Amino acid sequence: AQSVTQLGSHVSVSEGALVLLRCNYSSSVPPYLFWYVQYPNQGLQLLLKYTTGATLVKGINGFEAEFKKSETSFHLTKPSAHMSDAAEYFCAVSSYGSNYKLTFGKGTLLTVNP
Amino acid sequence: EAGVTQFPSHSVIEKGQTVTLRCDPISGHDNLYWYRRVMGKEIKFLLHFVKESKQDESGMPNNRFLAERTGGTYSTLKVQPAELEDSGVYFCASSPLGSGTVDTQYFGPGTRLTVL
Repeated sequence: AQSVTQLGSHVSVSEGALVLLRCNYSSSVPPYLFWYVQYPNQGLQLLLKYTTGATLVKGINGFEAEFKKSETSFHLTKPSAHMSDAAEYFCAVSSYGSNYKLTFGKGTLLTVNP
Repeated sequence: EAGVTQFPSHSVIEKGQTVTLRCDPISGHDNLYWYRRVMGKEIKFLLHFVKESKQDESGMPNNRFLAERTGGTYSTLKVQPAELEDSGVYFCASSPLGSGTVDTQYFGPGTRLTVL
């Protein structure tokens, strides 16, 4: 079985500040890891994913995440927050053996203050 | 290229009624997934189609839920009879049939179901 824990259901940052959204996973097999974002009244959009290879993954809109196997973590960062980053962010895990179905964390709502 | 579409966007029904949700995946995507988010909880997997076949329905809550995928194209998810705990947002996602790589699942906007 796989699981995801997102620390902090709500994170608030100032515009221009560092964004750090935390994600820890549990998986008995090599995981595939994802970050999705949901803007108001829209569907989930993929920000980035880790499958194999380079552990630092760059995504859209300036976001990146680093896969740390020893820490079972896949934290999402962005150096400078923008007002348009306000949304809900979901970390998810899947694997080959699970037919790639996604197991999600509970989500983190990011608020960006002017 | 059109994305994943879902219909309706919102549905409000009485307990005991029947509701059918529809998902149109991206053209050519053989994988189709249904997920559900109950308020305050995580998004949870319901089932997975490969073309018209159910690959995995381990997440279906009970036999009040019936999913079909006609001809491997669009899919429907019927809830009959609906209960209060069925309220939530139902997401559909699709992805191509990969070649051993992890293909991105593209999500629709969801259907918000409210059972009164």
